[in-house]
Amino acid sequence: DAGVIQSPRHEVTEMGQEVTLRCKPISGHNSLFWYRQTMMRGLELLIYFNNNVPIDDSGMPEDRFSAKMPNASFSTLKIQPSEPRDSAVYFCASRTHSNQPQHFGDGTRLSIL
Amino acid sequence: TQLLEQSPQFLSIQEGENLTVYCNSSSVFSSLQWYRQEPGEGPVLLVTVVTGGEVKKLKRLTFQFGDARKDSSLHITAAQPGDTGLYLCAGALWSGGSNYKLTFGKGTLLTVNP
Repeated sequence: DAGVIQSPRHEVTEMGQEVTLRCKPISGHNSLFWYRQTMMRGLELLIYFNNNVPIDDSGMPEDRFSAKMPNASFSTLKIQPSEPRDSAVYFCASRTHSNQPQHFGDGTRLSIL
Repeated sequence: TQLLEQSPQFLSIQEGENLTVYCNSSSVFSSLQWYRQEPGEGPVLLVTVVTGGEVKKLKRLTFQFGDARKDSSLHITAAQPGDTGLYLCAGALWSGGSNYKLTFGKGTLLTVNP
């Protein structure tokens, strides 16, 4: 079975540009999570969805960040405008129920110049 | 402020040695998970511990959940080069309704030298 699929794997762009990260969760999973990982702060939860509805976005750092889940098989994380401090690895994860493990994608390595 | 503190942050040992990684918090968790992450990949779940005092074994890895469900340890016996990776602990906290979210420690980067 295919795991969580993220695209692109790498993104390099200049500050001020809009960045869109994409995630396809595992089929049948009804919860989706966006995380950011840096050396300084580790792995941080940004936002998560249950049944396509945002449940907790308290980890979203600023209004420049937004996330959508238009259907059960697709989610986006958008940064507009991007800044160098947004450089990190962004992970998407999905799971079936709250007591089940999360399955992570391989991440998008984002570099903002 | 980091909710979950992991120690040590870095650990480099020789093949065959034993090691213990610690995960500590002042918060009580409904469960605690340990993940292993390799370069260029996402974290992969190793184990979930739920009950205070619970001990789980996965081959040469032994996981323990503290009695008060605030801390955990991972012990590796006779480490192998294949054990090299970033070990992350994550505590599950209730976030409303039937929802739980994970808060992660910064991880322990383990290198096992042949």
